Amino acid sequence: SQQGEEDPQALSIQEGENATMNCSYKTSINNLQWYRQNSGRGLVHLILIRSNEREKHSGRLRVTLDTSKKSSSLLITASRAADTASYFCASLPDTGTASKLTFGTGTRLQVTL
Amino acid sequence: GAVVSQHPSWVICKSGTSVKIECRSLDFQATTMFWYRQFPKQSLMLMATSNEGSKATYEQGVEKDKFLINHASLTLSTLTVTSAHPEDSSFYICSASMGYDEQYFGPGTRLTVT
Repeated sequence: SQQGEEDPQALSIQEGENATMNCSYKTSINNLQWYRQNSGRGLVHLILIRSNEREKHSGRLRVTLDTSKKSSSLLITASRAADTASYFCASLPDTGTASKLTFGTGTRLQVTL
Repeated sequence: GAVVSQHPSWVICKSGTSVKIECRSLDFQATTMFWYRQFPKQSLMLMATSNEGSKATYEQGVEKDKFLINHASLTLSTLTVTSAHPEDSSFYICSASMGYDEQYFGPGTRLTVT
């Protein structure tokens, strides 16, 4: 399977703490994206990092990318109860044509008060 | 901008019947649309890729005669689950792309086959 892997599978933290999720992928990529999914809902695009970037910030989100290790991490700082959701990384391969995303296995984040 | 809708949001059907799910890009023209299925507490698995006016490309293990995809226009793709069985019960999500980088996801359709 070409599916990427994420760890941890599940993460439970208290409000105000930081949450870190890791993603590994298998092929050379053009970019890597992170999505959030609330239970039973669609996906919300969070952030995209290109293969020539190493770090990117968006609000309380920080994403890193290490192409030599084929890995990425998503850090959510000062977490809130509303951050409770599943988080997926998705890699877009570097094929030179419009191509398909490969999703990771996901991390279920629970933020408690 | 870049809104994708799906209809219906949920559907219950009986075994043996067919059900059609629509995916629309509301404010842009999508050169490519993708269909995914997601089982509870699992990740998204790509089923097929469709381009307007051409046949869909199905992923390995996905039965093209069971999951019929029609990409009739640059704003509409449909997925028809034919002769549905309880094991087809799942969350089906579409996405639409204008080009290379980003896909815009619909809210999903929950199918329950009884």
